[in-house]
Amino acid sequence: DAGVTQSPTHLIKTRGQQVTLRCSPKSGHDTVSWYQQALGQGPQFIFQYYEEEERQRGNFPDRFSGHQFPNYSSELNVNALLLGDSALYLCASSFQTGGNNQPQHFGDGTRLSIL
Amino acid sequence: GQNIDQPTEMTATEGAIVQINCTYQTSGFNGLFWYQQHAGEAPTFLSYNVLDGLEEKGRFSSFLSRSKGYSYLLLKELQMKDSASYLCAPSSGGSYIPTFGRGTSLIVHP
Repeated sequence: DAGVTQSPTHLIKTRGQQVTLRCSPKSGHDTVSWYQQALGQGPQFIFQYYEEEERQRGNFPDRFSGHQFPNYSSELNVNALLLGDSALYLCASSFQTGGNNQPQHFGDGTRLSIL
Repeated sequence: GQNIDQPTEMTATEGAIVQINCTYQTSGFNGLFWYQQHAGEAPTFLSYNVLDGLEEKGRFSSFLSRSKGYSYLLLKELQMKDSASYLCAPSSGGSYIPTFGRGTSLIVHP
């Protein structure tokens, strides 16, 4: 049973470029959340996708956008990259069952470095 | 808004017991997660508390007091592999999304 998988594992970009990160959720999960984790910090919530729609968003600018596909996989897009966007980007999946909460399962992340 | 406070770093001896405290101020609070994160790895789920009280799961236990905005993670019989960052994450709103603190770096020494 595959867990959450993310690609690529590492990526180097320059300022002003655009990047797309990908995530496949754990089997049976239908909800995907994206987090940004700077060195020495906890993960910061970017947004969450469910039923192919963004259902909640954290305090991130519009340069950060995403998409969820019918197979529940997801992409995170960041435009006009800044040096401060250098971080570990984590994808987490879960299964929404009514109002009950389910723990999120995290992927190993994509390490993004901006030069 | 969210305000989460936990110690930056703690050290303990192998075989000992350690308690990692977390205080939070969260609007629309509905529960609190604890995650473990080893350096360079993904966070892994440890516990989720909704009701007040202590929940035990093997060597790890988690406590919640909703009225005090307080939680702790108790680790017993510490092992070297327990050296990691421990993230306190209250959740809120209908989507139960956790908000993570900076984490407590636990160092277990022989």
